[in-house]
Amino acid sequence: GAGVSQTPSNKVTEKGKYVELRCDPISGHTALYWYRQSLGQGPEFLIYFQGTGAADDSGLPNDRFFAVRPEGSVSTLKIQRTERGDSAVYLCASSFHTSGGPNEQFFGPGTRLTVL
Amino acid sequence: DAKTTQPNSMESNEEEPVHLPCNHSTISGTDYIHWYRQLPSQGPEYVIHGLTSNVNNRMASLAIAEDRKSSTLILHRATLRDAAVYYCMVTTSGTYKYIFGTGTRLKVLA
Repeated sequence: GAGVSQTPSNKVTEKGKYVELRCDPISGHTALYWYRQSLGQGPEFLIYFQGTGAADDSGLPNDRFFAVRPEGSVSTLKIQRTERGDSAVYLCASSFHTSGGPNEQFFGPGTRLTVL
Repeated sequence: DAKTTQPNSMESNEEEPVHLPCNHSTISGTDYIHWYRQLPSQGPEYVIHGLTSNVNNRMASLAIAEDRKSSTLILHRATLRDAAVYYCMVTTSGTYKYIFGTGTRLKVLA
């Protein structure tokens, strides 16, 4: 079956511009996660959705970052007034949600964002 | 969530077993141990997870110390395709986010 897909695969923008990054999770997965990964580092958690609501947004670095998941499927990560420090690979993952125990997260290939 | 410590890098010869260690000395009783790996230019992929007992699946084995303060991911016969960064993480039951460290970069020599 289809895995997690992310578009675009690469995005180059100029400092101060607005960008949107899209994630299509695996069908039926109710949980969706965004991470970002800088060069040489492990992924860093940004936000977690359970259904349509953000259950944990503690990883969003500041109010320039915002994410939505209006219908509980596709999610969009929005970054306003981009800065050069926002350059990274943005990863999306999805999983089933169960009441207890760990859930395997399935990751997409990521969107490489470059802010010039 | 408990912090984990892994070596920065390891090397293995092809077709030989690889033992990747992870220390998690502050682990709590209900914390799960997870391993993911990230191949070049790809997102992380699940390898294995465990709670107390050793676990086996088609990809690897997870050996958990009796006191649970450390664990070892075992690749039984390393192939060139196993060259990746391997992340060990610990999560509290009910917590759904992963805290990745810098992982262990595994190099497999032909």
